[in-house]
Amino acid sequence: DGGITQSPKYLFRKEGQNVTLSCEQNLNHDAMYWYRQDPGQGLRLIYYSQIVNDFQKGDIAEGYSVSREKKESFPLTVTSAQKNPTAFYLCASSILAGGYSLSGANVLTFGAGSRLTVL
Amino acid sequence: QKEVEQDPGPLSVPEGAIVSLNCTYSNSAFQYFMWYRQYSRKGPELLMYTYSSGNKEDGRFTAQVDKSSKYISLFIRDSQPSDSATYLCAMRMTGTASKLTFGTGTRLQVTL
Repeated sequence: DGGITQSPKYLFRKEGQNVTLSCEQNLNHDAMYWYRQDPGQGLRLIYYSQIVNDFQKGDIAEGYSVSREKKESFPLTVTSAQKNPTAFYLCASSILAGGYSLSGANVLTFGAGSRLTVL
Repeated sequence: QKEVEQDPGPLSVPEGAIVSLNCTYSNSAFQYFMWYRQYSRKGPELLMYTYSSGNKEDGRFTAQVDKSSKYISLFIRDSQPSDSATYLCAMRMTGTASKLTFGTGTRLQVTL
């Protein structure tokens, strides 16, 4: 079955440590995204990538880094510079063509999420 | 003021009730409107999407968009306990393929 796999599902980190969240998709989607979800704040975009070896900052990129070396993979590193990293992290992907969605809606398919807790 | 406003709930209804979930928005340039359903500790899944104004029906679900009022709705008929989840509205402008703006989500509980 095609889909998005996020790992680990739960992660605990000590303050001052960097952690990397994995996101892999086998949907052959061009674009991939990382969102952060906090209670009462909805989903906020951290980074997105429309093509391999290229990515753009979202609304809350500070303290995070990403890479896109393969079409299927878009790992997110939460660095020690992120002041409040405890959250639920969601990876998503979508079809894109030339920067605009063929479907128009740019429908996102989400992974199951990774819950990061800083101790 | 947030670009998209959504009542967080929780909204509790008995099984079989008609549920109305709503979002208001301030950006008149939004053209695509989506509803996602998110079960606890899971990722959101797309439920409905519409373009511009109008209605769209899919089984027990109906999505409505009123661009003149900047108001969108999701109706659930004959609600079931399995509909208990958080419902997120999302919307975007034409051409900005990479950015959706989400509401905060409404938590729905359908009781037996």
